Amino acid sequence: GENVEQHPSTLSVQEGDSAVIKCTYSDSASNYFPWYKQELGKRPQLIIDIRSNVGEKKDQRIAVTLNKTAKHFSLHITETQPEDSAVYFCAPSPYNTDKLIFGTGTRLQVFP
Amino acid sequence: DSGVTQTPKHLITATGQRVTLRCSPRSGDLSVYWYQQSLDQGLQFLIQYYNGEERAKGNILERFSAQQFPDLHSELNLSSLELGDSALYFCASSVEGTSRDEQFFGPGTRLTVL
Repeated sequence: GENVEQHPSTLSVQEGDSAVIKCTYSDSASNYFPWYKQELGKRPQLIIDIRSNVGEKKDQRIAVTLNKTAKHFSLHITETQPEDSAVYFCAPSPYNTDKLIFGTGTRLQVFP
Repeated sequence: DSGVTQTPKHLITATGQRVTLRCSPRSGDLSVYWYQQSLDQGLQFLIQYYNGEERAKGNILERFSAQQFPDLHSELNLSSLELGDSALYFCASSVEGTSRDEQFFGPGTRLTVL
């Protein structure tokens, strides 16, 4: 089955710094790459996603980059703020598949 | 608020017991997913239903079962409960039930098995 790993597992940054989380997957059929954010005690929410025909997508302070050859994609957060503190999950999936396989999660802490 | 509701919010029970978790999807969503999130663990996909039919199965134990009713709400039944079943159980819904659809998560049911 699909093997999905995230690195690092925890990340601490100073407010205003950038944060990068990497997701590595094994299924070469994966062609949909979302990132979910889960704040403490709350539900996961989709924050950004990318399709395999696109190498990069940006939405304000967050961006996702994809390296399909190397089978990894990354979440980039610039100018981090304390409210970015959360656990982030990637969930690479083949397009039109019926389920999401979530990565192991990365706990991001942004210190003021 | 995602529009997905789950009841109850908290559930405390004893080992060996049976419980039922309920989920109502967003209006118009045909697909329901169930996930288990143990302490400091990621989200484990359990099972998916689409318009009343089972569509995909993940790491769901034989002691667990689920169904989706004609009104599209879903129930997850957990039986012969063990201490290790203590977790947060999330339900999510999406329009068509494919990975291109955003999944909207409910607030979760926290199950504690004593």
